[in-house]
Amino acid sequence: EADIYQTPRYLVIGTGKKITLECSQTMGHDKMYWYQQDPGMELHLIHYSYGVNSTEKGDLSSESTVSRIRTEHFPLTLESARPSHTSQYLCASGDREVSGANVLTFGAGSRLTVL
Amino acid sequence: SQELEQSPQSLIVQEGKNLTINCTSSKTLYGLYWYKQKYGEGLIFLMMLQKGGEEKSHEKITAKLDEKKQQSSLHITASQPSHAGIYLCGADGAGTASKLTFGTGTRLQVTL
Repeated sequence: EADIYQTPRYLVIGTGKKITLECSQTMGHDKMYWYQQDPGMELHLIHYSYGVNSTEKGDLSSESTVSRIRTEHFPLTLESARPSHTSQYLCASGDREVSGANVLTFGAGSRLTVL
Repeated sequence: SQELEQSPQSLIVQEGKNLTINCTSSKTLYGLYWYKQKYGEGLIFLMMLQKGGEEKSHEKITAKLDEKKQQSSLHITASQPSHAGIYLCGADGAGTASKLTFGTGTRLQVTL
């Protein structure tokens, strides 16, 4: 049973629309991540957070923004979507201090298509 | 940043055959993670290796980390259709603040 939830699973929108991808986890993890996945399978880290009110940009530059007001919630927002934003977005969480390892739990993903 | 190269990029095997997927790093691996992704879904954690020469097995899947800690292999014995999916290796940098970097992925298809 999933402990990290992403909504929506699928979204098709027009260019210029504002969208928010939701991610929530029930495990109390401090660390949360957003990855963008190419059709070619490679995952690229676009945002991460190590706790409430902490957000950082990842290795891949992204026009999206994130917020972390609550431990369990890490939404990703695109103010004005473009076709180049079409991708699969994966949310993950982990707690290295507890587990001793950087094992991440992933959500099922949000597949975004911008027309 | 750590670069991880996986080979092969894609693989089609007949049910019952063995196969191996490789993951090579440009830097020393402090932790190596194997994940599986079913098409259109999130990633599922398989195994983690940390010590040079370490080997772990779960059901028909065996993962190894070489002594130099720069290369890992994932071996599946007697493949089944349920093994189909995308396999990704992930690498850990040094320190607890490090982020997980993923490899280029290997797409596995198992035919009947």
